[in-house]
Amino acid sequence: AQSVTQLGSHVSVSEGALVLLRCNYSSSVPPYLFWYVQYPNQGLQLLLKYTSAATLVKGINGFEAEFKKSETSFHLTKPSAHMSDAAEYFCAVTMGTGRRALTFGSGTRLQVQP
Amino acid sequence: EAGVAQSPRYKIIEKRQSVAFWCNPISGHATLYWYQQILGQGPKLLIQFQNNGVVDDSQLPKDRFSAERLKGVDSTLKIQPAKLEDSAVYLCASSPLAGGRSDTQYFGPGTRLTVL
Repeated sequence: AQSVTQLGSHVSVSEGALVLLRCNYSSSVPPYLFWYVQYPNQGLQLLLKYTSAATLVKGINGFEAEFKKSETSFHLTKPSAHMSDAAEYFCAVTMGTGRRALTFGSGTRLQVQP
Repeated sequence: EAGVAQSPRYKIIEKRQSVAFWCNPISGHATLYWYQQILGQGPKLLIQFQNNGVVDDSQLPKDRFSAERLKGVDSTLKIQPAKLEDSAVYLCASSPLAGGRSDTQYFGPGTRLTVL
């Protein structure tokens, strides 16, 4: 079975600082991994996804993530935080063969301090 | 291109009442999902449709929850009777048929249900 663990339910950074949101996965098959962002009272929006091509994936709004099989990780980073990045971030993995539903982590709330 | 539409956006009911949510996916998307997001948690799949057939409803509490997708387009999720623990945001998502596990799922804004 697939699962996702997000370390740190809350992360606070200063504007302009590095953003690092951690995600570790467990999967019995090669995983497909996703990062979604959720702004207050809105649905989830895809930031980026890993689909077994390049291990370094670039997404929208300056975010990127690196797939590391040896560490079973898919951490999300952004070199310089902006106030508008404040939101909830979810890491997700697709289920096993034939099932496309996402299994989500519990989320990390990012606060950006001025 | 229009996104996934959901209604209502908010609903407050008392326990043991019934409630229904509606979802209109992105045009042409064959796969439709309903997720339940309890406060402080990630979304959890309730049911997955492909066209108008059910692919996965293993986590749907079938004694009180039901869902249908008529003509492979719009979908309705119903709860009857509601319990306090059903308070959550109900998210609808859709994705194209092609691509399999790498398909991007597009989410609607959700319906926030409060059961008193």
